[in-house]
Amino acid sequence: DVVMTQSPDSLSVSLGERATINCKSSQSVLYSGNNMNYLAWYQQKPGQSPKLLIYWASTRESGVPDRFSGSGSGTNFTLTISTLQAEDVAVYYCQQYFHSPQTFGQGTKVEIK
Amino acid sequence: QVQLQESGPGLVKPSETLSLTCAVSDYSISSDYSWAWIRQPPGKGLEWIATIFHTGNTYYNSSLKNRVTISLDTSKNQFSLNVNSVIAADTAVYFCARQVRGVTGSLFYFDNWGQGTLVTVSS
Repeated sequence: DVVMTQSPDSLSVSLGERATINCKSSQSVLYSGNNMNYLAWYQQKPGQSPKLLIYWASTRESGVPDRFSGSGSGTNFTLTISTLQAEDVAVYYCQQYFHSPQTFGQGTKVEIK
Repeated sequence: QVQLQESGPGLVKPSETLSLTCAVSDYSISSDYSWAWIRQPPGKGLEWIATIFHTGNTYYNSSLKNRVTISLDTSKNQFSLNVNSVIAADTAVYFCARQVRGVTGSLFYFDNWGQGTLVTVSS
């Protein structure tokens, strides 16, 4: 199975500051046929189900604030929250859907400093 | 906006079968998309279990070693999951979700999730 490794496991960021989460896949998730990266990001707030934020590595889901952005290609990806808000406290997961079985990272917990 | 709601027993005995249902509202599951189950052990990460297309084609995570069956009930607009011979390690919150698929049948990301239901395996 493709292993998705996120870093850091947790981070504390001041309100209004930038939060950066990394996700590394053990195999490339870039399909050369369409030049698309088969990677998504989810946000899971305490006691809730995951919510889709980003797909195709950088496409923001409808309704997701533009302070959330995704970047990267191949095996290295980043989720950036440009100005952290209190409501962004959550665990964030990356998911690859290029290889079967689709797999998730272990999660990164974002807290307010 | 499509809505998904899981239901099933909160407690299952070891070696028995876990059965869960996901009721879908505001979207016909026979129209398009695919429909999936994902689980999350307490305090841990997410694991994809199985997906079924609106056509009935099924896909499973081999890690569950053929203990799993996913099925559709289009008359009730719901889909179900059975996990046989459960063990303590099957204790988890089970989520149902809608999964976006490609035109060639590839499985993509999960765009809508249910609230999840906690299933505990214990005697």
